[in-house]
Amino acid sequence: EAQVTQNPRYLITVTGKKLTVTCSQNMNHEYMSWYRQDPGLGLRQIYYSMNVEVTDKGDVPEGYKVSRKEKRNFPLILESPSPNQTSLYFCASSRWTGGYEQYFGPGTRFTVT
Amino acid sequence: GENVEQHPSTLSVQEGDSAVIKCTYSDSASNYFPWYKQELGKRPQLIIDIRSNVGEKKDQRIAVTLNKTAKHFSLHITETQPEDSAVYFCAILGGGKLIFGQGTELSVKP
Repeated sequence: EAQVTQNPRYLITVTGKKLTVTCSQNMNHEYMSWYRQDPGLGLRQIYYSMNVEVTDKGDVPEGYKVSRKEKRNFPLILESPSPNQTSLYFCASSRWTGGYEQYFGPGTRFTVT
Repeated sequence: GENVEQHPSTLSVQEGDSAVIKCTYSDSASNYFPWYKQELGKRPQLIIDIRSNVGEKKDQRIAVTLNKTAKHFSLHITETQPEDSAVYFCAILGGGKLIFGQGTELSVKP
């Protein structure tokens, strides 16, 4: 089954504790990206990657890091989480560039206390 | 930078009526304009998209129109049904980045 998976699905952590949210897709897609969703602000792109070892900033990259060492995986790293990073996070993938259907993961609800 | 404004933020219609959601954008280089539907507690899913070389595209009860000169595009849903109730997002592709609108919460009353 073609899918995008994210782990964990729910996470509560404290300020400053580094963590990683994993994202994996099995569709051999080149394009992968991370979004955060906040009420009234829609979906805002954090980082995107057009292929292995190629990553670029989206609209809200501050406080986040990503890596793309393998085509199927695109982890999101929060080096020192802060309360303003409390949000719902989605990973997505598509073929080639962002100009094709984005397949979203199930989302990760992340709370920083 | 690129920006997308989506209106209205909420929309309530009677079952069977039509619904229209409009997005305006600033980046004239954008060439891809998708619409996503997000049901409560679920992930966004693509419902229709259009490219800049096309002015209109239809898929059953859903249509999207694009006016590149005026830099706006709209989602049209005809004969609305209760299962159309959801949040709808427009988006544009600008230089590899996908920029989403703020979302429209559509409520279809039986």
